[in-house]
Amino acid sequence: DIVMTQSPESLAVSLGERATINCKTSQSVLYTSNKKNYLAWYQQKPGQPPKLLITWSSDREFGVPVRFSGSGSGTDFTLTIRSLQAEDVAVYYCQQYYSAPYTFGQGTKLYIK
Amino acid sequence: EVQLVESGGGLVQPGRSLRLSCAASGFTFDGYGMHWVRQAPGKGLEWVSGTNWNGGTVAYADSVKGRFTISRDNAKNSLYLQMDSLGVEDTALYYCAKGLLSLIGAGLDGWGKGTTVTVSS
Repeated sequence: DIVMTQSPESLAVSLGERATINCKTSQSVLYTSNKKNYLAWYQQKPGQPPKLLITWSSDREFGVPVRFSGSGSGTDFTLTIRSLQAEDVAVYYCQQYYSAPYTFGQGTKLYIK
Repeated sequence: EVQLVESGGGLVQPGRSLRLSCAASGFTFDGYGMHWVRQAPGKGLEWVSGTNWNGGTVAYADSVKGRFTISRDNAKNSLYLQMDSLGVEDTALYYCAKGLLSLIGAGLDGWGKGTTVTVSS
């Protein structure tokens, strides 16, 4: 099974500043034949189901603000929130869909400093 | 608009069974893979099981393999999760989620509100 390790576990960032969340996979999730990384990022606010933000490690879903961006390849990935807004307070998860079981990271709780 | 409505949760004793259902609408159900994801109280997300568009490919988390069975009825736009030999560790909010693709491996772009399963004596 692919183990997902997110860091940090929690993060406090001032409004308007940058937030960076890391996700490391225990094996590569890059499918060489199509050069796609099978990794997604989700946002979960309290009392709500998760919301898909990013797929294929860097493709922002329709309607997701441009301040959210994903990067990385192979085993190391990053979710960056540029210019943090109050509504970005949430728990963020990465997930690999390269091979079953399609494991999630343990989550990173993002706060306002 | 994608709508996923889970049902079938409840309080059940250890060792018993429960069947969850997910009614889908707002999209072409038989064009997409579907999944179950759970979240224990105060904990993170755990992928449980998934199926491709026609049920021909299914997969399970190690923690439920051999006890849970995923299935779908495309004629009824419905997804199911048969859960047998339930243990207290299965207590969680169970989400039904829609995959981005017809294949099983894809990001999950639609989620229901979940149904709660509590396993307790």
